[in-house]
Amino acid sequence: DADVTQTPRNRITKTGKRIMLECSQTKGHDRMYWYRQDPGLGLQLIYYSFDVKDINKGEISDGYSVSRQAQAKFSLSLESAIPNQTALYFCATSDNRANGYTFGSGTRLTVV
Amino acid sequence: AQSVTQLGSHVSVSEGALVLLRCNYSSSVPPYLFWYVQYPNQGLQLLLKYTSAATLVKGINGFEAEFKKSETSFHLTKPSAHMSDAAEYFCAVSDAGNNRKLIWGLGTSLAVNP
Repeated sequence: DADVTQTPRNRITKTGKRIMLECSQTKGHDRMYWYRQDPGLGLQLIYYSFDVKDINKGEISDGYSVSRQAQAKFSLSLESAIPNQTALYFCATSDNRANGYTFGSGTRLTVV
Repeated sequence: AQSVTQLGSHVSVSEGALVLLRCNYSSSVPPYLFWYVQYPNQGLQLLLKYTSAATLVKGINGFEAEFKKSETSFHLTKPSAHMSDAAEYFCAVSDAGNNRKLIWGLGTSLAVNP
């Protein structure tokens, strides 16, 4: 099993719909991150969490919300999806500054 | 503020040629530096990292990178490109604060021509 699992892998949704992307990890890491990736823009941080009770906004949090249900689970929600939220979304975890991040395989989201 | 600049959003090399992907960073503290690779339709995978030990770091798949403090650089190299090296490569520096955020470059897409 993968260390960081994202579901679904692909999703097509309609404008205005609420959608949740899920991330779970077996690494035992305390910190978790949500990024979106767009061609030419690299990785943009949406939200990050230091532990279950500590949630922080990233660079582009507008239109998104998150929930850290447990140390191992970190969900990203789009309350009312819009087409410019079409992107590749990645979850990542970390435990130590020297170790960098462990990434999930990503969720490709299309909003039509 | 820390930042990462990757020179060249697209690099094309011939199979068997040297691969050189450039990364420059700015940091007010000794940095931790990383290179990640993203193959098509996959997540990012750690290639190698510099954490203040040896300045020449060897990673997976024959890649290596040299930390040069005087040039604030951490360029990625591979002596001989393989077709399987075609991917997106990202350089990152670890935030100096306690939040362990990585500051990312915009990525370099490597194409390998037969």
